[in-house]
Amino acid sequence: NAGVTQTPKFQVLKTGQSMTLQCAQDMNHNSMYWYRQDPGMGLRLIYYSASEGTTDKGEVPNGYNVSRLNKREFSLRLESAAPSQTSVYFCASRPGGRAFNQPQHFGDGTRLSIL
Amino acid sequence: KNEVEQSPQNLTAQEGEFITINCSYSVGISALHWLQQHPGGGIVSLFMLSSGKKKHGRLIATINIQEKHSSLHITASHPRDSAVYICAVRYSNTGNQFYFGTGTSLTVIP
Repeated sequence: NAGVTQTPKFQVLKTGQSMTLQCAQDMNHNSMYWYRQDPGMGLRLIYYSASEGTTDKGEVPNGYNVSRLNKREFSLRLESAAPSQTSVYFCASRPGGRAFNQPQHFGDGTRLSIL
Repeated sequence: KNEVEQSPQNLTAQEGEFITINCSYSVGISALHWLQQHPGGGIVSLFMLSSGKKKHGRLIATINIQEKHSSLHITASHPRDSAVYICAVRYSNTGNQFYFGTGTSLTVIP
């Protein structure tokens, strides 16, 4: 019963390096989300995908790109990492569509440090 | 601006106490979500509600749409309830997006 799986769990990058965070869900959910969590701040939405084939910007999209590869997978890419992107990143999914009030399910998070 | 305010920020309680955590928001919502973040960092959904009250075990969530306010209650608190409790709302005009409070850090002392 995997739910939402994120890889990697930890990563250290140097400024300017690129990296892709992977997320996969096995619950046949339509909607998927990428958030970042910083000390003293609530989770902030980076990008989301309401359904396969669509993506939309959230509150803090600058410096990131996403790909909804298929219904299961939603990846987040940092093209040129900056120290300000040091954070804990969470992927989440929810049924979406007509299941309007179903909750989000979260992955365990990726702790990313950029030096 | 969409804002979600939680209070208190930090809360320490003795085992067995009744606990209340509050969440207020600024404009009309279509749903409110209570989540629990464990000390290890994992986030678990507790409740999602758009009106009234929901109960699961020792946890009760209520929402007052007119007052733009929700509360999460924990009865007979236990040290294993120690966690950060997070409120998130989906505003009526923001479709699939959720906005999160900064969380309430709860410590329950034996």
